[in-house]
Amino acid sequence: DIQMTQSPSTLSASVGDRVTITCRASQSFSRWLAWYQQKPGKAPKLLIYLESTLESGVPSRFSGSGSGTEFTLTISSLQPDDFATYYCQQYHSYPLSFGGGTKVEIK
Amino acid sequence: EVQLLQSGGGLVRPGESLRLACAASGFTFSTYAMNWVRQPPGKGLQWVSSIIGSGATTYYADSVKGRFTISRDNSKNILYLQMNNLRADDTALYYCAKVGVVGEGGFFDHWGQGVRVTVSS
Repeated sequence: DIQMTQSPSTLSASVGDRVTITCRASQSFSRWLAWYQQKPGKAPKLLIYLESTLESGVPSRFSGSGSGTEFTLTISSLQPDDFATYYCQQYHSYPLSFGGGTKVEIK
Repeated sequence: EVQLLQSGGGLVRPGESLRLACAASGFTFSTYAMNWVRQPPGKGLQWVSSIIGSGATTYYADSVKGRFTISRDNSKNILYLQMNNLRADDTALYYCAKVGVVGEGGFFDHWGQGVRVTVSS
């Protein structure tokens, strides 16, 4: 089974900051990784799939990258709407698995 | 427009059963794998189960294997999760989710609104 470890678990940042969230996998795989944003009381929203492909309608300030076991979600300039919890998810193999989440808070 | 409308949550006692449903519209249901994902109160997302478009193949998390059964009715565009022998640690918000590409497995591009399942004596 592939375990996904996200860091940090909480991140305090200001509007305009560049934010980076990391997801580490217990096994190496290529590109089968997605990122989601979840706001309180709402279902998760897909941001990125195939490691770096932006879902339609998602602002270009979001980007994804990765290599082997380390994957990164970057928000180039944090906006007020971006304060939320972010999750990575591997879909390389079953059982599918999510990272523990990163809460982005207002500094 | 893709819509996933969930029903069936509630409060049950340990050992009891519950069936969740997810009515899909706005896409060719039978060509997409479907999934259940849950979120315990105050915690992160946990994948529960997947079923391919035809219904012929299913996958389960170890924590629910042997107790939960995923199924689908492609004639009615409905996804189900039959949950038996429920335990307190099954308490969560349950989401149905559609995969983003035709075929098996994948990421989730559309989610239901979520239904709450509470297991308590």
